[in-house]
Amino acid sequence: DAKTTQPPSMDCAEGRAANLPCNHSTISGNEYVYWYRQIHSQGPQYIIHGLKNNETNEMASLIITEDRKSSTLILPHATLRDTAVYYCIVRVASFGNEKLTFGTGTRLTIIP
Amino acid sequence: ETGVTQTPRHLVMGMTNKKSLKCEQHLGHNAMYWYKQSAKKPLELMFVYSLEERVENNSVPSRFSPECPNSSHLFLHLHTLQPEDSALYLCASSQERGIGYGYTFGSGTRLTVV
Repeated sequence: DAKTTQPPSMDCAEGRAANLPCNHSTISGNEYVYWYRQIHSQGPQYIIHGLKNNETNEMASLIITEDRKSSTLILPHATLRDTAVYYCIVRVASFGNEKLTFGTGTRLTIIP
Repeated sequence: ETGVTQTPRHLVMGMTNKKSLKCEQHLGHNAMYWYKQSAKKPLELMFVYSLEERVENNSVPSRFSPECPNSSHLFLHLHTLQPEDSALYLCASSQERGIGYGYTFGSGTRLTVV
């Protein structure tokens, strides 16, 4: 699976949009971008995933650049409960290849 | 509650003890995983079970022994652990053979070896 690069930490004011970047310059054409987050001492939680089109769900939006070498996770109105470590993962979603490899992620702190 | 339940939530054990961690999912998933998360480190994949067969063992010491009796249950048997094995142990499940929504994780077992 392709490697990803994320900033180690970010702050965001409560109520503002949090934009978390991820670089994945070696991504292959059949690799998806997944985002998870881990709130302190809990298991990671799936947020969103995409291949090349922008995606939106009730939690967040995912913007993938046209060349697919980077993406941004957007939390539109951050709350204190969004304070967590956010992981960007790229992997092939194909038969028998469901392994998820986590990096160090971005520690997002929402400031009151 | 995520649909993946881990018990116990906390466990303190001596180095000569034998204990087991349990994971249960009722999501209809057919792949299950054990991860270890030590302080200040990324999650490390330990074991992968697909359709109840172990398909991956990431150089985990033999003092950790997984068991998957059916697609809904996964165990991690522990014996003669070391203090450095103290960590958060996370179980996850997924529906293999599909893109789906990725993994569903349990809340973990916080293990302390004394």
